[in-house]
Amino acid sequence: EPEVTQTPSHQVTQMGQEVILRCVPISNHLYFYWYRQILGQKVEFLVSFYNNEISEKSEIFDDQFSVERPDGSNFTLKIRSTKLEDSAMYFCASKGTSGPYEQYFGPGTRLTVT
Amino acid sequence: QKEVEQNSGPLSVPEGAIASLNCTYSDRGSQSFFWYRQYSGKSPELIMSIYSNGDKEDGRFTAQLNKASQYVSLLIRDSQPSDSATYLCAVSKAGTALIFGKGTTLSVSS
Repeated sequence: EPEVTQTPSHQVTQMGQEVILRCVPISNHLYFYWYRQILGQKVEFLVSFYNNEISEKSEIFDDQFSVERPDGSNFTLKIRSTKLEDSAMYFCASKGTSGPYEQYFGPGTRLTVT
Repeated sequence: QKEVEQNSGPLSVPEGAIASLNCTYSDRGSQSFFWYRQYSGKSPELIMSIYSNGDKEDGRFTAQLNKASQYVSLLIRDSQPSDSATYLCAVSKAGTALIFGKGTTLSVSS
């Protein structure tokens, strides 16, 4: 069964450093999403991406964040200058182009900012 | 502010019992409703989706939707210890961002 994959599974970085989180969505999906979950809190939407552009973003997705589809398979989230409060699980999700509207999540990347 | 509300639990049921999980949402424009299961330290796993009023059954799971009351529920029949997890309710307008509730923790005792 096709699945979303994410790398790395765990990333430790120092405050102020740049990190890139990588995702490979399900192969025939064209809608991609990033969510995050701070420990003990709810899953929060960050950004959605379709047709090589951002289609929707939340208030969390400020100028320190960016997304990119560098090739036909990868989807990346870049955090330019990490802060302590960026420590969280980051989930990538993907969805097909037609109904149903179900989003399938990858296993996540645990980002720890020290 | 679009919100999805769930009782945090824990909801404790004995093995073999029916577990009932509830969710309310604030945005009347919501069109798609989902239940995800999340084990500790893992990612959300889709278990049910529902788009129209009424019941939808899939194996031991039944999702119920009442748009007039802005209410979604999930029933788990013949609960098993492996069903012990946090159940996340999520809603969206068609194809857009999922808005999640905080989740209800279910504990099934053997």
